[in-house]
Amino acid sequence: QSVLTQPPSASGTPGQRVTISCSGSSSNIGNNYVSWFQQFPGTAPKLLIYTNTQRPSGVPDRFSGSKSGSSASLAISGLRSEDEADYYCATWDDSLSGPVFGGGTKLTVL
Amino acid sequence: QVQLQQSGPGLVKPSQTLSLTCAISGDSVSSNIAAWNWIRQSPSRGLEWLGRTYSRSKWYNDYATSVRSRITISPDTSKNQLSLQLNSVTPEDTAVYYCAREVIMTQAFDIWGQGTMVTVSS
Repeated sequence: QSVLTQPPSASGTPGQRVTISCSGSSSNIGNNYVSWFQQFPGTAPKLLIYTNTQRPSGVPDRFSGSKSGSSASLAISGLRSEDEADYYCATWDDSLSGPVFGGGTKLTVL
Repeated sequence: QVQLQQSGPGLVKPSQTLSLTCAISGDSVSSNIAAWNWIRQSPSRGLEWLGRTYSRSKWYNDYATSVRSRITISPDTSKNQLSLQLNSVTPEDTAVYYCAREVIMTQAFDIWGQGTMVTVSS
């Protein structure tokens, strides 16, 4: 059971906008930065979003992050087939004194 | 650019010690704005942070409660790398192990190693 809660799956058609949620508590998301990762099978996670809303260089602006209270969201606009992957949220947990991850959301592009 | 190259055995016997190394290029294990982490991933446990080492005029380590009694993460400044040792392994420790750089100000893991699949089996 992951500390951060994500829906196990999400889907959309090409061109659509999809959002993936990440729910936590005041000891983690509510008091710390959230980051998001994209992972393809057999590869390491790739940082998509850091400090809630920032994109590393090279990440398309179709990807955006937001945070409100103890929840965060990743939005993908203009969905493409190559966006089909697993997505994870992560943050620091003050009670556990370490980083925690969501269980991951498998995004399917129909 | 910063790259992390992992090495180590893919098969470890139960009760023995899992040992992995992560060689750093393009940055320094002694950086005072980064921390060097080990994270593992398995179908049953998902992504799980194991611990980190970092230098702020002296060396510090933080470990996850779940493995604190069995884990050691060590920097090697002469080789610019970090290592992971996990003692008394069981099949529950079977996972893909990653090293990752964390930029402290952002709390984000921005660079990851390629991953090492470690199976604990006799």
